[in-house]
Amino acid sequence: SQTIHQWPATLVQPVGSPLSLECTVEGTSNPNLYWYRQAAGRGLQLLFYSVGIGQISSEVPQNLSASRPQDRQFILSSKKLLLSDSGFYLCAWVGTRGSEAFFGQGTRLTVV
Amino acid sequence: GQQVMQIPQYQHVQEGEDFTTYCNSSTTLSNIQWYKQRPGGHPVFLIQLVKSGEVKKQKRLTFQFGEAKKNSSLHITATQTTDVGTYFCAGPRNNNDMRFGAGTRLTVKP
Repeated sequence: SQTIHQWPATLVQPVGSPLSLECTVEGTSNPNLYWYRQAAGRGLQLLFYSVGIGQISSEVPQNLSASRPQDRQFILSSKKLLLSDSGFYLCAWVGTRGSEAFFGQGTRLTVV
Repeated sequence: GQQVMQIPQYQHVQEGEDFTTYCNSSTTLSNIQWYKQRPGGHPVFLIQLVKSGEVKKQKRLTFQFGEAKKNSSLHITATQTTDVGTYFCAGPRNNNDMRFGAGTRLTVKP
């Protein structure tokens, strides 16, 4: 069966520090992968999605970047975190066109 | 581009009352999906609607897809405290881009 792993679960980082969040998927190949951010009590903002290795679509220009070095690995990064980067980051995958999205457990990032 | 609008943003009900959240898209959707996110958790898939005018039920939950495939609703009959959470609709903008509504946060007073 397919599973999605996202870590860490919580993270407290100082302003100006780098960030690397990793998401991996098991049990499927060539998934569409997504990074969403959810501010406290708010909706899901699509940050990046990827349809294949090295293919990244950015939705909102900001202080973040994404990479897909392997088929089932999706990484969210920042060189210098801002206070406004705090939030709940969710990785998701979709196996086939138009099918349901499966979410990771999420990473709660607090920038201090 | 396509936008998926969802209302209301918040809904507070007394246990036993009904609850409805509405989702509207600026463009025709190939399908629409509904998710539930419990407090502190991640969104979990509930259902997908594909056909124009489709209605599906899951126990006390009723999902509808509009005739024009631009709107959808989720109705919960006789809410319970276990229904607490945020309900999201989602529609694919194209084959790859899954857009979510802003969500409706439901709180239930026992």
